[in-house]
Amino acid sequence: GAGVSQSPRYKVAKRGQDVALRCDPISGHVSLFWYQQALGQGPEFLTYFQNEAQLDKSGLPSDRFFAERPEGSVSTLKIQRTQQEDSAVYLCASSNRDRGNTIYFGEGSWLTVV
Amino acid sequence: GNSVTQMEGPVTLSEEAFLTINCTYTATGYPSLFWYVQYPGEGLQLLLKATKADDKGSNKGFEATYRKETTSFHLEKGSVQVSDSAVYFCTPTQGGSEKLVFGKGTKLTVNP
Repeated sequence: GAGVSQSPRYKVAKRGQDVALRCDPISGHVSLFWYQQALGQGPEFLTYFQNEAQLDKSGLPSDRFFAERPEGSVSTLKIQRTQQEDSAVYLCASSNRDRGNTIYFGEGSWLTVV
Repeated sequence: GNSVTQMEGPVTLSEEAFLTINCTYTATGYPSLFWYVQYPGEGLQLLLKATKADDKGSNKGFEATYRKETTSFHLEKGSVQVSDSAVYFCTPTQGGSEKLVFGKGTKLTVNP
């Protein structure tokens, strides 16, 4: 596609519900990133894929957070048993991997846990 | 790991004023440097970048020069417009990877 596409754009979840956020990277992009952005803050790194391999998941805040990219293109970020502190914008980004290459961000999935 | 320090916001300017947003970074290795902009309700967009020392990135009237000796990448624009109102993020890559490290950003408001 023309850009990084994320869905849903907005999600309201009741505390304790599971949510799944989808990311469609730019076609052919090898690298895929997930970031979490709380209101008024900068994005915080969650995890990184190169093709289908999850090379870095050091930013995932707890074992309730899980990400996958089984075929090396579309990725899903899953949050189990959501809590209020999970309320944030979840940003997906992709790139061609080379150092210095532009990383393109999607518009984000806005999650509110009530 | 790498980190970034940006000048505290919010910054409020009148249209056609000169803009400087300071950015310094700490890094192991040789990071690439980026400025991203986030308009209200939107995702991050790349504004400009520099991948080696003394490189100057420029776009839409904005400029920043990669200064290795001072570990800085200050953003400048000679004459801001109301449409430049946004949050600006200076981001180095992390180590030898592509991973971006973000600070809190600087919110810019330009008044007519």
